[in-house]
Amino acid sequence: GAVVSQHPSRVICKSGTSVKIECRSLDFQATTMFWYRQFPKQSLMLMATSNEGSKATYEQGVEKDKFLINHASLTLSTLTVTSAHPEDSSFYICSARGEGNSHPYEQYFGPGTRLTVT
Amino acid sequence: GQNIDQPTEMTATEGAIVQINCTYQTSGFNGLFWYQQHAGEAPTFLSYNVLDGLEEKGRFSSFLSRSKGYSYLLLKELQMKDSASYLCAVRDNAGNMLTFGGGTRLMVKP
Repeated sequence: GAVVSQHPSRVICKSGTSVKIECRSLDFQATTMFWYRQFPKQSLMLMATSNEGSKATYEQGVEKDKFLINHASLTLSTLTVTSAHPEDSSFYICSARGEGNSHPYEQYFGPGTRLTVT
Repeated sequence: GQNIDQPTEMTATEGAIVQINCTYQTSGFNGLFWYQQHAGEAPTFLSYNVLDGLEEKGRFSSFLSRSKGYSYLLLKELQMKDSASYLCAVRDNAGNMLTFGGGTRLMVKP
């Protein structure tokens, strides 16, 4: 089946620094990738949708200058949290969807990245 | 807009059956998904319904009524490992976005 990886799985950073999270589709080409954020005991909230080679579409309330998304290739999307603050501490999950994938459940989730900002 | 409702928490006994309901009011509909998520892990796919009726897969079944905006996930022969959050998600008309409900935390007790 389709596999999506994320790196790192856990990261701790100091307030004010930037952190980059990678999302890779390992065995298929992902034309669309989605970035979600999940706070403890809450559901997934979509942050943005990125299509390969174009600018990401951000959901209402998500600062695009703070959460930089780059989808430069069909197998890699990155999320950079700039000038991180403690309130950015969360579980960040990406999912990927492939071109021409006829499988009905075509969003495949990565294992998530736990970000802690101190 | 999208509005998806699920109970926040449920408790059931090992070996029993539990039904987790999901109601939705969405501006578009192109399928409903159920995911299982253990604490600290990413969601894993359980089921997909796009037409009315029941989809059965082993111990798990999912039902959809589009006219009522209603779905349920049925878990049979509950096991302790079934303790997790269960997320209901609706896909939009364009088939791009998933909107998730708040999730139902299921606790299975001996």
